[in-house]
Amino acid sequence: GAVVSQHPSWVICKSGTSVKIECRSLDFQATTMFWYRQFPKQSLMLMATSNEGSKATYEQGVEKDKFLINHASLTLSTLTVTSAHPEDSSFYICSLLVAHRGYTGELFFGEGSRLTVL
Amino acid sequence: ELKVEQNPLFLSMQEGKNYTIYCNYSTTSDRLYWYRQDPGKSLESLFVLLSNGAVKQEGRLMASLDTKARLSTLHITAAVHDLSATYFCAVQSYNTDKLIFGTGTRLQVFP
Repeated sequence: GAVVSQHPSWVICKSGTSVKIECRSLDFQATTMFWYRQFPKQSLMLMATSNEGSKATYEQGVEKDKFLINHASLTLSTLTVTSAHPEDSSFYICSLLVAHRGYTGELFFGEGSRLTVL
Repeated sequence: ELKVEQNPLFLSMQEGKNYTIYCNYSTTSDRLYWYRQDPGKSLESLFVLLSNGAVKQEGRLMASLDTKARLSTLHITAAVHDLSATYFCAVQSYNTDKLIFGTGTRLQVFP
């Protein structure tokens, strides 16, 4: 069964509005989650590392004021795209790092959220 | 900075043929993953390779890892149409656990 649940699957919004995407761990405590974005026909680009109870760590070139990450509990991380614009339209995927099975960690991916900004 | 390169970027092949996708990475790591992505979908985990010389096989796909050469391969044997998808390798950073993805290989298998 699914380890990570991501919601919504697809969202269309008007330019200038904010959109929140949720990433929920179903079976494991998630101290660390990663957020990726993927433009059409491109690879996944790591946006940020979300740490439970502390500030997210953003990759170079990712605006932290635009992509707000909150990881207030061990099962939920949220990504809010603030004042979205058409260039923010993308496929956003979260992943959960599970530290078990004898090594540092395996990653499980959410189903992804397709954001279209009109 | 960890960089991951994949080639080829696009591969069109006939059913029944064999081919290999290559994944090179720039810094030390012994954790490499292969994923499949269908259009509009998230990632499906194919293989997890955790040590030098690791080889794993599932159906018509076989993956291997050479940590000394910083190279992983995904070999396709007797391709079938159902294998058409985009394949990504990803390398996990030793220090940060971040997963950095390769450029992806879009595979198209035709009759």
